Amino acid sequence: ETGVTQTPRHLVMGMTNKKSLKCEQHLGHNAMYWYKQSAKKPLELMFVYNFKEQTENNSVPSRFSPECPNSSHLFLHLHTLQPEDSALYLCASSPQAGGPREQFFGPGTRLTVL
Amino acid sequence: QQQVKQSPQSLIVQKGGISIINCAYENTAFDYFPWYQQFPGKGPALLIAIRPDVSEKKEGRFTISFNKSAKQFSLHIMDSQPGDSATYFCAASVGGTYKYIFGTGTRLKVLA
Repeated sequence: ETGVTQTPRHLVMGMTNKKSLKCEQHLGHNAMYWYKQSAKKPLELMFVYNFKEQTENNSVPSRFSPECPNSSHLFLHLHTLQPEDSALYLCASSPQAGGPREQFFGPGTRLTVL
Repeated sequence: QQQVKQSPQSLIVQKGGISIINCAYENTAFDYFPWYQQFPGKGPALLIAIRPDVSEKKEGRFTISFNKSAKQFSLHIMDSQPGDSATYFCAASVGGTYKYIFGTGTRLKVLA
């Protein structure tokens, strides 16, 4: 595997379900990000982890819970979501949060909340 | 102040033509302006980026033009090809930070 991978690629869940999104980066980076991509809206930064520590929570509702057990893996735990949370969730990584600024994105998880 | 306004929302260009996408910003503290390209089913990938100390940067068929006084920057795709059909996002960030402010995206279709 190379680059940034995300699983699952598609997820359909009910509002009462609990699910998790997984991201893994094979680039040796130290910063990882979660973004939300909705149609006709700018990409929204949700969370940032730098060296496994959360450095940014962009006023994200508590029904989204991130976890970063090491610099290579990032999870987004989902519970009691709303239909408006349906979107493409993108994971990205970069060498470190304050360093070279190119971010490398995964292919995303297309989430549908029924 | 934190917005980056991108236009047009969609663009259709004939093969061999020039595609032009524009972005405008308000925050004069922005000092890094990348363009990302996203194909269906893929995540965005960095295409080209510019800093405000230069007015133009060219990489192959892709050129960023930057107008600091007008607080505008644009992406020009010369000799557009069907393989360039994708969604393009401009973005901006403030010195040394990871916080990109993205535009809303432009869906480009290049007709064969």
